[in-house]
Amino acid sequence: DQQVKQNSPSLSVQEGRISILNCDYTNSMFDYFLWYKKYPAEGPTFLISISSIKDKNEDGRFTVFLNKSAKHLSLHIVPSQPGDSAVYFCAASRGSGNTPLVFGKGTRLSVIA
Amino acid sequence: DTGVSQDPRHKITKRGQNVTFRCDPISEHNRLYWYRQTLGQGPEFLTYFQNEAQLEKSRLLSDRFSAERPKGSFSTLEIQRTEQGDSAMYLCASSWGLAGLETQYFGPGTRLLVL
Repeated sequence: DQQVKQNSPSLSVQEGRISILNCDYTNSMFDYFLWYKKYPAEGPTFLISISSIKDKNEDGRFTVFLNKSAKHLSLHIVPSQPGDSAVYFCAASRGSGNTPLVFGKGTRLSVIA
Repeated sequence: DTGVSQDPRHKITKRGQNVTFRCDPISEHNRLYWYRQTLGQGPEFLTYFQNEAQLEKSRLLSDRFSAERPKGSFSTLEIQRTEQGDSAMYLCASSWGLAGLETQYFGPGTRLLVL
């Protein structure tokens, strides 16, 4: 039973355009959501997070939107750059992060120059 | 910048051998997590510690897997009698718990190949 789903295995975007990565979850107890970026042969790098009391969080080029009623979150990257090419993982936890993370399978983003 | 470190970065072993991996968390972090990642999957939680106490170990994949954090600082993950199915990336993460929203920071991982 996959509690966090990233239904798009891959996404290609042109440099300068917007990248939108999506994530759905099934467990209504999740209240803290994170996005990580991962390059090959490296560990995941934390990008941005959002608490369930918010519906948007922004950090530079990265914005995360949370729709609790739909159990859906998305990561927007604007503008996309070639260095953004990586695998992006959505993760969720309960208790404001006070429990182990549950990850999706990831989406591979390719930003084409 | 002293992030999470893991040693070794790569390990090749023969089936049946024991292996041990080490994780050094960010120094002020009291929580330490172990995850495993296989190809095409997201990281999968194995176990975690708050200081030296192991709070959850039911997700360890079998009784061949064990973890310790003896003094609440570094941690080791041991796999006994390795099998080919143990081949994966083993990731360690740390966080400062009890501070509200808690973000886990990951190390570079140890890639295990069992021949």
